[in-house]
Amino acid sequence: GDSVTQMEGPVTLSEEAFLTINCTYTATGYPSLFWYVQYPGEGLQLLLKATKADDKGSNKGFEATYRKETTSFHLEKGSVQVSDSAVYFCALRRDFGNEKLTFGTGTRLTIIP
Amino acid sequence: DGGITQSPKYLFRKEGQNVTLSCEQNLNHDAMYWYRQDPGQGLRLIYYSQIVNDFQKGDIAEGYSVSREKKESFPLTVTSAQKNPTAFYLCASSTTSGTGELFFGEGSRLTVL
Repeated sequence: GDSVTQMEGPVTLSEEAFLTINCTYTATGYPSLFWYVQYPGEGLQLLLKATKADDKGSNKGFEATYRKETTSFHLEKGSVQVSDSAVYFCALRRDFGNEKLTFGTGTRLTIIP
Repeated sequence: DGGITQSPKYLFRKEGQNVTLSCEQNLNHDAMYWYRQDPGQGLRLIYYSQIVNDFQKGDIAEGYSVSREKKESFPLTVTSAQKNPTAFYLCASSTTSGTGELFFGEGSRLTVL
């Protein structure tokens, strides 16, 4: 079955540090890939997405590139801020039919001033 | 503004009681979903519905029930048969075409006393 594996947290960084959160997936076909962010006490918000190989999703300074050859979709940001502290979820969804999303377990990120 | 509204935000229940969580969307989405989130864990799918008057079990449906009588509404009932109901419950909706990213409500936190 489909699965998403994220690097385990928690991750703690200083402000302005470089961020990478690893995400790899297992799925048949060509799924769409997503990063969602969850701020404390809230629901999830879509951060970025990519729908085909080599696509780069970007938003709010975050980027992730769909790598078919390594089945990866790592999240990166060049300079993190305290406001980026949240839980980040990688997810996939098959393009065909009406398939549900499969989520990773989430990575908690804390940024220290 | 269009979005998903979950209520109540916080709910306390005594053991042996059923409780119903409300989810309403005005995004004109066909598909709706209920996820459960436990501390330090990812999201687990409880039930989903792709069309009115039809729904399917997700990965952890035991002890839960749903209905989809209207496109806008997808209430979740947590029954007394659910062994560990204390959790954060998230409702989401999506289109059934394209990449169909999920849009989430702000969640309902259920605590069983």
